[in-house]
Amino acid sequence: DAGVIQSPRHEVTEMGQEVTLRCKPISGHDYLFWYRQTMMRGLELLIYFNNNVPIDDSGMPEDRFSAKMPNASFSTLKIQPSEPRDSAVYFCASSFGQATGELFFGEGSRLTVL
Amino acid sequence: AQSVTQLDSQVPVFEEAPVELRCNYSSSVSVYLFWYVQYPNQGLQLLLKYLSGSTLVKGINGFEAEFNKSQTSFHLRKPSVHISDTAEYFCAVRPTSYGKLTFGQGTILTVHP
Repeated sequence: DAGVIQSPRHEVTEMGQEVTLRCKPISGHDYLFWYRQTMMRGLELLIYFNNNVPIDDSGMPEDRFSAKMPNASFSTLKIQPSEPRDSAVYFCASSFGQATGELFFGEGSRLTVL
Repeated sequence: AQSVTQLDSQVPVFEEAPVELRCNYSSSVSVYLFWYVQYPNQGLQLLLKYLSGSTLVKGINGFEAEFNKSQTSFHLRKPSVHISDTAEYFCAVRPTSYGKLTFGQGTILTVHP
């Protein structure tokens, strides 16, 4: 079975540009999470969805960040406009069911904003 | 709210030596506990988890962890490490009633020949 698929794996862009990161969760999973990983702050939960509905977006840094999940097999994380401090690895993860569900992570999207 | 403290940011160890990676947590509600491993340029993979029952849980690759409720700890151990265990290890907690999975800052384990 395919795991969580993220694209692009690497993105280099200039400050002010729009960035869109994409995620395809594992089929049948009903929870989807977006995390950001930096050296300074470690792994931070940005937002998570249950059955395509955003449940908690309190980790989204500011209005420049937005996330959508139009259907069960696709989610996007958009940054507009991007800033150098947004440089990080962004992970998408999915899980099935309740709190005991294991999170399955994608390989991440490494974003560099110049 | 929950918080996780991994007491060592880096742990160097020689091959075939035992290792313990320490994790303490704080929570006002009951939680489930997890250890994840991240190899370079990869996502995180679940090593093991504690949900209930026996406080000693065994995971993949020969790792085990012990839940100590009184000390709010969930330390990860392996009796004999291999070079291939070199990675970053993350302790995490999640409320039993569901909610955020909160990660610690990670411990980089480096196994030397």
